Amino acid sequence: QKEVEQNSGPLSVPEGAIASLNCTYSDRGSQSFFWYRQYSGKSPELIMSIYSNGDKEDGRFTAQLNKASQYVSLLIRDSQPSDSATYLCAGSSGGYNKLIFGAGTRLAVHP
Amino acid sequence: ETGVTQSPTHLIKTRGQQVTLRCSSQSGHNTVSWYQQALGQGPQFIFQYYREEENGRGNFPPRFSGLQFPNYSSELNVNALELDDSALYLCASSFQGADYEQYFGPGTRLTVT
Repeated sequence: QKEVEQNSGPLSVPEGAIASLNCTYSDRGSQSFFWYRQYSGKSPELIMSIYSNGDKEDGRFTAQLNKASQYVSLLIRDSQPSDSATYLCAGSSGGYNKLIFGAGTRLAVHP
Repeated sequence: ETGVTQSPTHLIKTRGQQVTLRCSSQSGHNTVSWYQQALGQGPQFIFQYYREEENGRGNFPPRFSGLQFPNYSSELNVNALELDDSALYLCASSFQGADYEQYFGPGTRLTVT
């Protein structure tokens, strides 16, 4: 069973701090990884994609991928209360873009 | 550019009934994937449609079926509804290929009583 594992949280950080979200995956064949943000009662919103080892930065978000360790992370700098949501990590599986999702990490940013 | 749309937003059905959910893909995208998200869980892949054919299926029984139309829109049909089918059903559109990003619609909340 190919899996993506995330700590369910909640991860609580003060406003302005760095939030660090982590994810591990079991399928070594997965090449593409995605982070989605999901507010309560809403659908997932894509915030980052990463395909190669290393860091990828987009505004306050940095995604990190280490294929040797089968590890993906998302850093959120200068966290804001509006970042409070569940963050879903997903990896592609198979020759087509079937996504395998983790259960999500709930992030709470307090003022 | 038009985003992914889904209908209806909410639906209440009785066990044993059948339901059809609809999805219109983002303009330019040719692939539609369907996911089921139970409360507190991540989305689970149901199946994917490309060129009007099923292009991969997750661990869901045959009573979950789908269609894709020439305009790339799609339907998810569920027969003989069970209580455990209560979930948020998400449609995602993309280009075909493992590296392409998937964009989700707002979802359909299905409640089976």
